[in-house]
Amino acid sequence: NAGVMQNPRHLVRRRGQEARLRCSPMKGHSHVYWYRQLPEEGLKFMVYLQKENIIDESGMPKERFSAEFPKEGPSILRIQQVVRGDSAAYFCASSRTSTGGLATNEKLFFGSGTQLSVL
Amino acid sequence: SQELEQSPQSLIVQEGKNLTINCTSSKTLYGLYWYKQKYGEGLIFLMMLQKGGEEKSHEKITAKLDEKKQQSSLHITASQPSHAGIYLCGAINAGGTSYGKLTFGQGTILTVHP
Repeated sequence: NAGVMQNPRHLVRRRGQEARLRCSPMKGHSHVYWYRQLPEEGLKFMVYLQKENIIDESGMPKERFSAEFPKEGPSILRIQQVVRGDSAAYFCASSRTSTGGLATNEKLFFGSGTQLSVL
Repeated sequence: SQELEQSPQSLIVQEGKNLTINCTSSKTLYGLYWYKQKYGEGLIFLMMLQKGGEEKSHEKITAKLDEKKQQSSLHITASQPSHAGIYLCGAINAGGTSYGKLTFGQGTILTVHP
């Protein structure tokens, strides 16, 4: 049973280019969360998606960042016109349920992350 | 907003020693995850705690959520080099619509010398 799969593991972009990060949740999981880990900072929530819906994007920067989780295929975190400050590790997590998690002792599983470096 | 403080920030121990990492919240914890992260890698799920006084163990790692539910501790018995890494606690946001939206502590860097 494959875990949460993220690709690429490492992504290098020049300033102004676009970055696309992909996340395939665990089998049977329909809830996806994106987190960002900036150097010298902790892990910060960015966005929560279900299939075809953005549920909570309170942690997303207002500009240049977008996320989707289509009916078919992986979730995509897209960063347009990248800047050096976007350099970070981006992690995706998935779960089978959401609000039912506390009652069912659900676990939240993370992928190995994508390390984005902006030159 | 909820804040989590982990202590110590870093810890160096000799193999075989016991150690404890603490995670203190500014608000009541509705649920808490412990993860381990190797440098440059993803987060490995260790344990999830929900109820005050709850204690869970996995191999040589034990985690507990105190009765007042504002602090959790992670205890490693007879540490080994394989325990080295960054330990992160993540709290479920109170009143949130999703338990997957976590607030994380800064992490504790553990080094175990053979």
